[in-house]
Amino acid sequence: QVQLVQSGAEVKKPGASVKVSCKTSGYTFTKYHMHWVRQAPGQGLEWMGWINPASGGTYYARRFQGRVTMTRDTSVSTVYMEVSRLESDDAAVYFCARESLPAARPYDYWGQGTLVTVSS
Amino acid sequence: DIQMTQSPSSLSASVGDRVTITCRASQSIDSDLSWYQQTPGKAPKLLIYAAYVLQTGVPSRFSGSGSGTDFTLTITSLQPEDFATYYCQQSYNTPRAFGPGTRVDIK
Repeated sequence: QVQLVQSGAEVKKPGASVKVSCKTSGYTFTKYHMHWVRQAPGQGLEWMGWINPASGGTYYARRFQGRVTMTRDTSVSTVYMEVSRLESDDAAVYFCARESLPAARPYDYWGQGTLVTVSS
Repeated sequence: DIQMTQSPSSLSASVGDRVTITCRASQSIDSDLSWYQQTPGKAPKLLIYAAYVLQTGVPSRFSGSGSGTDFTLTITSLQPEDFATYYCQQSYNTPRAFGPGTRVDIK
């Protein structure tokens, strides 16, 4: 069965970086784009960008360009999302979500979420 | 960028009620719209995609309609497990914006 398992919670200081992993199993890793979505405490869902695991190509939301990097390691079927120069507003739960293939390309599988706390 | 809005932002309903949530896009997105349900502490769950297609395993009391800019999620006969927050999302282009969410709680 399809599984997306994310790395554990992180506590970081302002200005530091954090790298979250999303290990996949149960499907062909290179066949589906992976997106990242975050959710600040008590807030809605914010789309961050996507990575094409086959090519490594990426697309980032404008507000994250220059500060977010998405990568992948095909040997372990894992995608990574790194946020640099953390600010207090980056405190959130970060989700990876697989983009499905049917019409409208929805997210059919999600990781469990990774809580990132930013505190001095 | 396409902006997504939802109404209402929250509603109170009773078990057995019919609930309707509206989602509007700032420009036409054809039928490239999905609906997700999220309960506290959990990842969102896909309910409907392509505006009206029910995801496998989702109960038939959920339905979606609309195209272009205006969309609706309907829950007939609300069940206790349906009390959650619902989000729409467009996949017409990037950035893949979500609506702000509609919280459905118990009256």
